[in-house]
Amino acid sequence: SQTIHQWPATLVQPVGSPLSLECTVEGTSNPNLYWYRQAAGRGLQLLFYSVGIGQISSEVPQNLSASRPQDRQFILSSKKLLLSDSGFYLCAWGEKESEAFFGQGTRLTVV
Amino acid sequence: AQSVTQPDIHITVSEGASLELRCNYSYGATPYLFWYVQSPGQGLQLLLKYFSGDTLVQGIKGFEAEFKRSQSSFNLRKPSVHWSDAAEYFCAVGTLMGGQFYFGTGTSLTVIP
Repeated sequence: SQTIHQWPATLVQPVGSPLSLECTVEGTSNPNLYWYRQAAGRGLQLLFYSVGIGQISSEVPQNLSASRPQDRQFILSSKKLLLSDSGFYLCAWGEKESEAFFGQGTRLTVV
Repeated sequence: AQSVTQPDIHITVSEGASLELRCNYSYGATPYLFWYVQSPGQGLQLLLKYFSGDTLVQGIKGFEAEFKRSQSSFNLRKPSVHWSDAAEYFCAVGTLMGGQFYFGTGTSLTVIP
């Protein structure tokens, strides 16, 4: 069966520091991969999605970037974190014409 | 552009009472529609989905939802709410080819004894 792993679960980082959140999926090939950010009262905001290795689509211009170096690996990065980058980040995978399956999320606090 | 609206930010119901959570969407083609539930600090769990066919879909935990194309709605219902249903509920629309999912802002459900 398919599983999705997202880490770390919580992270506290100072302003201006870099960020790397990793997400991996097992048990499937060539999945669609997604990064969402959740802020209070704003639901889930789609940040990036990828339909294949090296293919990244950005939904919202911001201080973040994403990469997909391997088929089942999706990385969310930042060179310099801002206070406004704090939030709950969720990775998800899916296949065309199916639902999205979510990881357990990363709570990022920028201080 | 695709969008999902959940007009109720917060709903409080008594245990055993019926529940309806509203969801309206805007999408140019036939949408894929979903309801997810999120417990505090957790990821999202799929409750049910609509792709095509019967407009009344059954999900897990006794939930159901009805797709009404004329109203662009996909409301979630449960005939009798349990205290364990207290959570955040999200409606989402998925695109046919691109694979993107767009979520509403969520409805927080409180269940009182």
